[in-house]
Amino acid sequence: DTAVSQTPKYLVTQMGNDKSIKCEQNLGHDTMYWYKQDSKKFLKIMFSYNNKELIINETVPNRFSPKSPDKAHLNLHINSLELGDSAVYFCASTERGSNTGELFFGEGSRLTVL
Amino acid sequence: GDSVTQMEGPVTLSEEAFLTINCTYTATGYPSLFWYVQYPGEGLQLLLKATKADDKGSNKGFEATYRKETTSFHLEKGSVQVSDSAVYFCALSDLNTGNQFYFGTGTSLTVIP
Repeated sequence: DTAVSQTPKYLVTQMGNDKSIKCEQNLGHDTMYWYKQDSKKFLKIMFSYNNKELIINETVPNRFSPKSPDKAHLNLHINSLELGDSAVYFCASTERGSNTGELFFGEGSRLTVL
Repeated sequence: GDSVTQMEGPVTLSEEAFLTINCTYTATGYPSLFWYVQYPGEGLQLLLKATKADDKGSNKGFEATYRKETTSFHLEKGSVQVSDSAVYFCALSDLNTGNQFYFGTGTSLTVIP
């Protein structure tokens, strides 16, 4: 069983379109994240939710809107896609309040905007 | 604020060479420290961790020791293999900042036969 699963794994789309990426974790964790990894492998945190509540909202264009219907799911919707949005987006989860807990990552969703 | 600084790459080594990737951190509290590895085309996975000063994390021949006095968590392996080629990320998690994870910029390692 995959612990953190993301769909789709690959997404190719035109500028100006709207797209969504879904994430689900079956680890029973209460905190989920979205990270963006650029072509130089730099990881940037975008959002974090704890029990469906937004707790981290970094400086991200408001074209990006996360949504957490329950603590096992965190989806990312992107409006009006731009070329600079091309990247790999990773979902991750952990149990908050445990300083020893690790982050579990999904396999990533590679978004290419043409 | 909290941050992680790691050695820039890329690093290219011959098989069986010794590996060191430097990592230093800044934290307000008592963080846990991690090394994550990302193999080509995959997500990040935990390689090893240490949760308090002087702890040594180890896995797959890799080791790192939590050094509070030098605020460091350097990754070492005595003899690298081609299969170790990947990007390595140093990270910390700090309860003082609500378990936010801070990642270094990643170090790309290529091991040649």
